[in-house]
Amino acid sequence: DAGVIQSPRHEVTEMGQEVTLRCKPISGHNSLFWYRQTMMRGLELLIYFNNNVPIDDSGMPEDRFSAKMPNASFSTLKIQPSEPRDSAVYFCASNGDRGSYNEQFFGPGTRLTVL
Amino acid sequence: GIQVEQSPPDLILQEGANSTLRCNFSDSVNNLQWFHQNPWGQLINLFYIPSGTKQNGRLSATTVATERYSLLYISSSQTTDSGVYFCAVMGFGGGTSYGKLTFGQGTILTVHP
Repeated sequence: DAGVIQSPRHEVTEMGQEVTLRCKPISGHNSLFWYRQTMMRGLELLIYFNNNVPIDDSGMPEDRFSAKMPNASFSTLKIQPSEPRDSAVYFCASNGDRGSYNEQFFGPGTRLTVL
Repeated sequence: GIQVEQSPPDLILQEGANSTLRCNFSDSVNNLQWFHQNPWGQLINLFYIPSGTKQNGRLSATTVATERYSLLYISSSQTTDSGVYFCAVMGFGGGTSYGKLTFGQGTILTVHP
């Protein structure tokens, strides 16, 4: 299995630009999560989807952030417009929902730098 | 929501030493995982252990769900064990709480040669 795939691995952009992060979950997994990691706040859950439907987006910092999951094998996290305080590592994770077994697996992350 | 506390926050070891990392949580859990974040930033799954004991090579973990804590044991530490160790839990809450992992702040482990 290829694991969770994220792209790009690194993104450097200027303030005000639109940024799109992409994620392909593990095949067969029906839950997908977007996290952000910073030194100050640690690992924060931004949003998660179950069966392609957003279940909880209470962690999305503000309206500049949006996420979509058009099908079971693809999700995007978009920031528009980006700001320097958005600089962080963004992780995507997925897990299956096989009764009581729901181990979560993480992608390699996208390191975002907004200048 | 559920609270997760890890201790110690920092740990410095000499290669070959053993260590124990602790994770306390505030409510019953449906899922508990230990992760290792290596110096390149990757989050590696170590254990999926909502209860009981598991071993994988030099690492082992025990979760005592009734007392709301988990322990990660590292024996004969190596420099490659350096990094941050996270405990993450998922409660039984329904609605939007279901399926969400809550992370502790991590233990930063440094192993010197």
